[in-house]
Amino acid sequence: QKEVEQNSGPLSVPEGAIASLNCTYSDRGSQSFFWYRQYSGKSPELIMFIYSNGDKEDGRFTAQLNKASQYVSLLIRDSQPSDSATYLCAVNRVDSSYKLIFGSGTRLLVRP
Amino acid sequence: GAGVSQSPSNKVTEKGKDVELRCDPISGHTALYWYRQSLGQGLEFLIYFQGNSAPDKSGLPSDRFSAERTGGSVSTLTIQRTQQEDSAVYLCASSRTGGVEAFFGQGTRLTVV
Repeated sequence: QKEVEQNSGPLSVPEGAIASLNCTYSDRGSQSFFWYRQYSGKSPELIMFIYSNGDKEDGRFTAQLNKASQYVSLLIRDSQPSDSATYLCAVNRVDSSYKLIFGSGTRLLVRP
Repeated sequence: GAGVSQSPSNKVTEKGKDVELRCDPISGHTALYWYRQSLGQGLEFLIYFQGNSAPDKSGLPSDRFSAERTGGSVSTLTIQRTQQEDSAVYLCASSRTGGVEAFFGQGTRLTVV
């Protein structure tokens, strides 16, 4: 079992729709959760982070965390073609270090 | 600095040569991470530094790979006797401390021919 799992996609949504990206993690002690966006040929860019159960909203983005289910998601409202990218979920393990582990990413395609 | 800076941006080297990749983190950031990303793949964790110490080296693929950090700032990733399978983009990230938001540099694209 991978430590952080994401559906590779592609997830295709029409412009203006809500895109829902999901991530599950295996380490129940994980405490910090991050979403990065990566355009082709570019480095990952941090777009959201969440530390507590519940929802966190920032503009068109909402991160949702459910520690009991070991599940974190990212909602993108009013999706735009410029949102087309790979979205990486990352989780901080809490042991002797703060290793930041990434999922393999979900490719999102927003159709004009 | 304003962001994480990595050099060189691109490096082409012959198989068997040694290479050094440099990362200059955001000023004041004590945590520093190295990752490797092969074409079309996810991010593979290599090593984590807190200050000058590396509490987790578990991701280094072989003893040909080593990293150090001096002065709690600049880090160097060294690959000895490079192999073609070492070809990848090497990414560095830093954060204020461990466990919080990390920001990436632009990466070094390494090609071993």
